[in-house]
Amino acid sequence: RKEVEQDPGPFNVPEGATVAFNCTYSNSASQSFFWYRQDCRKEPKLLMSVYSSGNEDGRFTAQLNRASQYISLLIRDSKLSDSATYLCVVNGGSDKIIFGKGTRLHILP
Amino acid sequence: ETGVTQSPTHLIKTRGQQVTLRCSSQSGHNTVSWYQQALGQGPQFIFQYYREEENGRGNFPPRFSGLQFPNYSSELNVNALELDDSALYLCASSFTAGANWNGYTFGSGTRLTVV
Repeated sequence: RKEVEQDPGPFNVPEGATVAFNCTYSNSASQSFFWYRQDCRKEPKLLMSVYSSGNEDGRFTAQLNRASQYISLLIRDSKLSDSATYLCVVNGGSDKIIFGKGTRLHILP
Repeated sequence: ETGVTQSPTHLIKTRGQQVTLRCSSQSGHNTVSWYQQALGQGPQFIFQYYREEENGRGNFPPRFSGLQFPNYSSELNVNALELDDSALYLCASSFTAGANWNGYTFGSGTRLTVV
């Protein structure tokens, strides 16, 4: 099992729809979790941290399920500008930061 | 507050050559990590520098080496370039205090093409 796995997509979603994708991790001792967004040919940028209690930032909701070892990202009322690759990042402890390969999202007009 | 800057932005090298990539970390950050991102892949961890010493290394051969300077800026050196070294090289700075890590700030990357 890979350390961090994501469905590569692409997810093609009409504007205004809700989309969700997950990321699974193999190390049960992983300490912290993040979602990064990466636009084409740009650097990754922090979208949001993922807390045990779940957290919401506007249209974005992130959740952590430690028992099943996955994190999720939900985007409501999707906008054309949400089109990007979403990278799951897991801090496995001992400074071992691992990126998933990313999930590509295309919002269709 | 300045962000993370990398230079050069683009580079073309010939197989077998050597290359040096540079990174200035964000103000207040003391740790620099380097990642290689091939097309269509997630960033792969090369190594990390903290207090001018290598503090963790990914699955990369010794021809990938680095330095961190007292001002926390960093260099990535790659010797004997191979075609597969063509990728986007990302520098990420962060602040390390004990076991706490609050995420990276990435530079815009150096796109290296080896021909």
